[in-house]
Amino acid sequence: AQKVTQAQTEISVVEKEDVTLDCVYETRDTTYYLFWYKQPPSGELVFLIRRNSFDEQNEISGRYSWNFQKSTSSFNFTITASQVVDSAVYFCALRGHYGGATNKLIFGTGTLLAVQP
Amino acid sequence: SAVISQKPSRDICQRGTSLTIQCQVDSQVTMMFWYRQQPGQSLTLIATANQGSEATYESGFVIDKFPISRPNLTFSTLTVSNLSPEDSSIYLCSVLGATGVTEAFFGQGTRLTVV
Repeated sequence: AQKVTQAQTEISVVEKEDVTLDCVYETRDTTYYLFWYKQPPSGELVFLIRRNSFDEQNEISGRYSWNFQKSTSSFNFTITASQVVDSAVYFCALRGHYGGATNKLIFGTGTLLAVQP
Repeated sequence: SAVISQKPSRDICQRGTSLTIQCQVDSQVTMMFWYRQQPGQSLTLIATANQGSEATYESGFVIDKFPISRPNLTFSTLTVSNLSPEDSSIYLCSVLGATGVTEAFFGQGTRLTVV
């Protein structure tokens, strides 16, 4: 079975603080893909990053960075120097590579990040 | 990346009625997905819509309640039938990239409130 766990339901920080959003996943597939999405109050899902299971290189994009560790089945997301515009729900998601008809995404329950000015 | 237009963006409907949501993609895609996001919850896949075949529904979702059409490779509709307050949710359509293993793109969602 595939599962994504985001243990942090809500996080509140003050602007300019760094914040890390945790994501732990479970899968039996040897090849899989991990994603982070941002959902601002307007409701749309904004793709942030994809990481393949065979690529454990960490990635940095501006104030965003991602730490992928297969040994602990974690794919954590860090926002450096947070800003009010970062306030949103963040979802971690998993898709296995099993050649099936659906290739569906399994989402975590999301973490609501509130950045206070 | 794919651009997905979803209509309506929001609606308020009376119980017992139906709402049809449209999803238009700016490129041809094989698979389209419909998700439901209940208030404060994560996303749950309703069904996968392939052009030229019946939609494939996930456990807990049935065609009578959520009929789906997929007339071509750029368009799909989801109807939520016989509405009840429990159907109040955000409904999102989604597509995969051209290779099928890239990230999923989402429409802006339809926020449905049933009164």
